[in-house]
Amino acid sequence: QVQLVESGGGVVQPGGSLRLSCAASGFTFSSYGMHWVRQAPGKGLEWVAFIRYDGSDKYYADSVRGRFTISRDNSRNTLYLQMNSLRAEDTAVYYCAKLRAAGTTWDAFDVWGQGTMVTVSS
Amino acid sequence: DIQMTQSPSTLSASVGDRVTITCRASQSISTWLAWYQQKPGKAPKLLIYKASSLESGVPSRFSGSGSGTEFTLTISSLQPDDFATYYCQQYNSYWTFGQGTKVEIK
Repeated sequence: QVQLVESGGGVVQPGGSLRLSCAASGFTFSSYGMHWVRQAPGKGLEWVAFIRYDGSDKYYADSVRGRFTISRDNSRNTLYLQMNSLRAEDTAVYYCAKLRAAGTTWDAFDVWGQGTMVTVSS
Repeated sequence: DIQMTQSPSTLSASVGDRVTITCRASQSISTWLAWYQQKPGKAPKLLIYKASSLESGVPSRFSGSGSGTEFTLTISSLQPDDFATYYCQQYNSYWTFGQGTKVEIK
């Protein structure tokens, strides 16, 4: 079945770095754009970053641009989020999600991972 | 940036009630709108895309309507499994979520 599994979360000090991974299975990963979305404790959903199916386009939320980098390895069916210069306000559950339709950019998210918790604290 | 505003923030309802949640966009997004359901500790689940298209496997008691700047999600007869938080999301220009509507037991 179609599945996304995140990993790499943990506790990190302010100013530190962390790399999240999202392993995809059950679909042709290289055909779908992918996103990272986060949710701070007790808060709503915040879109973080997008990467086109072939990696040719990347978009970021203003809150993370210049600090976070989204990437993918289609040979390994894996999505990544490199997070640098982390701040307390980056504390959240981070979800990866796939676009509903292959080859598109502007679409809804039909499959989500279970999430991985990132805590930024000294 | 396109802002999405949901109302109400919290809704108290009983099993069997008809429930409507509204989502307003700060500018026209045509029908590039999705609705998600999220339960505590779980990932969001896609219910509706393109404003009114029902995602596969989603019960027909869920429906969406609207275009431009005003949209609604309707649950025709609330079931016990429907108590959750609902989010709208625009994907006309980048991606923005509404702040969420919690549907709780009355």
